[in-house]
Amino acid sequence: KQEVTQIPAALSVPEGENLVLNCSFTDSAIYNLQWFRQDPGKGLTSLLLIQSSQREQTSGRLNASLDKSSGRSTLYIAASQPGDSATYLCAVNEEGRETSGSRLTFGEGTQLTVNP
Amino acid sequence: DAGITQSPRHKVTETGTPVTLRCHQTENHRYMYWYRQDPGHGLRLIHYSYGVKDTDKGEVSDGYSVSRSKTEDFLLTLESATSSQTSVYFCAISTRYTDTQYFGPGTRLTVL
Repeated sequence: KQEVTQIPAALSVPEGENLVLNCSFTDSAIYNLQWFRQDPGKGLTSLLLIQSSQREQTSGRLNASLDKSSGRSTLYIAASQPGDSATYLCAVNEEGRETSGSRLTFGEGTQLTVNP
Repeated sequence: DAGITQSPRHKVTETGTPVTLRCHQTENHRYMYWYRQDPGHGLRLIHYSYGVKDTDKGEVSDGYSVSRSKTEDFLLTLESATSSQTSVYFCAISTRYTDTQYFGPGTRLTVL
């Protein structure tokens, strides 16, 4: 059974700092990996999706990398801002097919606080 | 905003009562999913649908049933609610199985 672990569980940094969030998964036979952001009391917002054939994806100040063979992904946030404060979740998709859609296994998340 | 609404947004009910949660989308996405989110467990898939009348079980489907009679609506039913089903329930959608999922705002359910 796939297990997804995110370290650290919580992180507090001063504004402007570059930071890295980590995600590891036990079964490397994944179809893709996604990073989400969740604000308190809200749903999840998709940040980045990396297909298994890709090494990284970038969106603005965010960069996600994937090393499928070692079962690891990182989310790099450059020049952090107080508005980046949220919980960040990674999820791996082991099955990509017509009759299942993308069935995700989630980590428990890293709660990020960026202090002004 | 992927055009997903969930209703109700909050509900308090008693053990043993039936409960139905509704997920509605306006984008005509093929795939729809129901998750629950609990401290210590993260998000877990309950049921999913890959088309009208096409549904299947996820990781934690016991005690839940679903129906999808039209593309835009996916209903989650707790036939007889239990306290262990107190949770936040999220609906998600995706267009293709290769695509990212888009999540609704969630429904907070409390079973007393």
